[in-house]
Amino acid sequence: DIVMTQSPDSLAVSLGERATLNCRSSQSVFSTANNKNFLAWYQQKPGQPPKLLVSWASQRESGVPDRFSGSGSGTDFTLTISSLQAEDVAIYYCQQYYSVPPYTFGQGTKLEIK
Amino acid sequence: EVQLVESGGGLIQPGGSLRLSCVVSGLTFSRDWMVWVRQAPGKGPEWISRINPDESFISYADSVKGRFTISRDNVKKTVSLQMNSLRGDDTAVYYCARVQTSPGPYFFDYWGQGTLVTVSS
Repeated sequence: DIVMTQSPDSLAVSLGERATLNCRSSQSVFSTANNKNFLAWYQQKPGQPPKLLVSWASQRESGVPDRFSGSGSGTDFTLTISSLQAEDVAIYYCQQYYSVPPYTFGQGTKLEIK
Repeated sequence: EVQLVESGGGLIQPGGSLRLSCVVSGLTFSRDWMVWVRQAPGKGPEWISRINPDESFISYADSVKGRFTISRDNVKKTVSLQMNSLRGDDTAVYYCARVQTSPGPYFFDYWGQGTLVTVSS
């Protein structure tokens, strides 16, 4: 199984500042067949289900603000929030869908306001 | 509008059984792969089962294999999870979700609000 490890476990950032969340997979999730990374990012607010933010490591979902961006390839990935807003307080999870089943998630990064 | 609505959760004693259901609207469903994902209190999501449109490809996480059974009714647009021999570590919010397929199956793009299962004596 591919193990997903996120860092840090928690992060406090001032409003308007940049937040950088990291995700590492235990093996590459890059497919040479279609030249894509099989990596998604989800946002989860209290009492809500996870919400898909980014797929294919860098493809923002429709309706997701452009302050969110995903990057990385192979085994190392980053979700960046360019200018933190109060509504971005949440737990963020990465997930691989390259080698499934099982689908595996990271343990999450809790993002708070400093 | 896409909606996934889970039901069937509740308090159950260890060793007991529950059947969860997820009714889907606003999606084709009959061509959709579906999953169940659970989330224990304070923990991250854990995928537990997947089913393809005609039920020919079904898979389970090791943690539930042999105890849980996924099924679907494409006419009623419902996916179900029969949970037997429940244990304390099955306590979680259970979500159903649609798997994006183009051709896929890939990531989970639509989620229900979840139903809480508590296993306790």
